[in-house]
Amino acid sequence: EIVLTQSPATLSLSPGERASLSCRASQSVSRYLAWYQQKPGQAPRLLIYDASNRATGIPARFSGSGSGTDFTLTISSLEPEDFAVYYCQQRSNWPLTFGGGTKVEIK
Amino acid sequence: EEQLVESGGVLVQPGGSLRLSCVASGFTFSSYWMHWVRQAPGKGLVWVSRINSDESSTTYADSVKGRFTISRDNAKNTLYLEMNNLRAEDTATYYCVRGSRESYNYGGYWGQGTLVTVSS
Repeated sequence: EIVLTQSPATLSLSPGERASLSCRASQSVSRYLAWYQQKPGQAPRLLIYDASNRATGIPARFSGSGSGTDFTLTISSLEPEDFAVYYCQQRSNWPLTFGGGTKVEIK
Repeated sequence: EEQLVESGGVLVQPGGSLRLSCVASGFTFSSYWMHWVRQAPGKGLVWVSRINSDESSTTYADSVKGRFTISRDNAKNTLYLEMNNLRAEDTATYYCVRGSRESYNYGGYWGQGTLVTVSS
């Protein structure tokens, strides 16, 4: 099973700041990695697929990069609605696996 | 408008059984792979199972293999998860998830979830 390790666990930032979230895989997943956003009491929402492609309707301030074992989700300038938990997920191997999540909180 | 509506989550005793349902609308259900993903209270996301569009192929997480069965009825636009021999660690919100348009194995659209509680 591919283990995805997300860091940091919590990121404390102010609106307007840049956020960089990391996801590291225990073995190469090529570019088969997605990012999701989950707000309290809501279902997750797909943000990024295949490492760097924005899903439909996702604002341009969200971007993804990386390949192999190291990936980054960047939010260029945090909006109030961006404070949430973010998960990465790989589709390279079965079983599909998620990272443990990074909470982006208001500083 | 796309919709996935789960139902069937209740309080059940350890060793018990349950069937979750997910009714889809607003898209061509029979064209998509479907998944179940769960989330224990206050914890992260865990993929449970998936089924391809014509029900010819299924896959399960090791933690549920042999106890859970995923199925679908494309005529009724409905996804199911039959859960047997339930354990306390199966307590979670279960999300019905449609594969994304870009890849069958990303969660393109999620239902709001149904809570399963396994406790005596």
